[in-house]
Amino acid sequence: DAGVIQSPRHEVTEMGQEVTLRCKPISGHNSLFWYRQTMMRGLELLIYFNNNVPIDDSGMPEDRFSAKMPNASFSTLKIQPSEPRDSAVYFCASSAKGVGYEQFFGPGTRLTVL
Amino acid sequence: TQLLEQSPQFLSIQEGENLTVYCNSSSVFSSLQWYRQEPGEGPVLLVTVVTGGEVKKLKRLTFQFGDARKDSSLHITAAQTGDTGLYLCAGEETSGSRLTFGEGTQLTVNP
Repeated sequence: DAGVIQSPRHEVTEMGQEVTLRCKPISGHNSLFWYRQTMMRGLELLIYFNNNVPIDDSGMPEDRFSAKMPNASFSTLKIQPSEPRDSAVYFCASSAKGVGYEQFFGPGTRLTVL
Repeated sequence: TQLLEQSPQFLSIQEGENLTVYCNSSSVFSSLQWYRQEPGEGPVLLVTVVTGGEVKKLKRLTFQFGDARKDSSLHITAAQTGDTGLYLCAGEETSGSRLTFGEGTQLTVNP
């Protein structure tokens, strides 16, 4: 199995630009999670999908952030417009049955907003 | 959101020493997971503990879930340089809606 796939691995953009992060979960997993990791705040849950439906988006910082899961094999996290404080490593994770089960993390996308 | 506090935040020891990392909360969790993260990679699950008082061993690593399911510890015996990494505890909130991560303990084992 290829594991969770994220793209791009690195993204450098200028303030105000739109950024789209992509994730392909492990085949057969029905839960998908987007996290953000920074030195200051650690690993924070942004949003959680179950069977392609958003279950908990209380961690999404503000309206500039949006996430979609159009089908079981693809999800996007979009930031528009991006700001320097959005600089972080963004992880996508999937699990077979939901929150209490093992989450398999992708390699992350390192985002730098100048 | 239920909070988890990890201590220490940083730990630097010599190969062969023992160490303990703590994960504490004032809230009850349904289960607790421990992950290890290496630079440039995502966290990888080490163990899940579910029952209060549960102890699990993974080679030189011993994990314990507190009786009240509010805290956990990770003990490493005879640390090796390969144990170096960021150790994260994560609690499943009783609502079942999310996994809350602690801030992490950055462990460095020196040869």
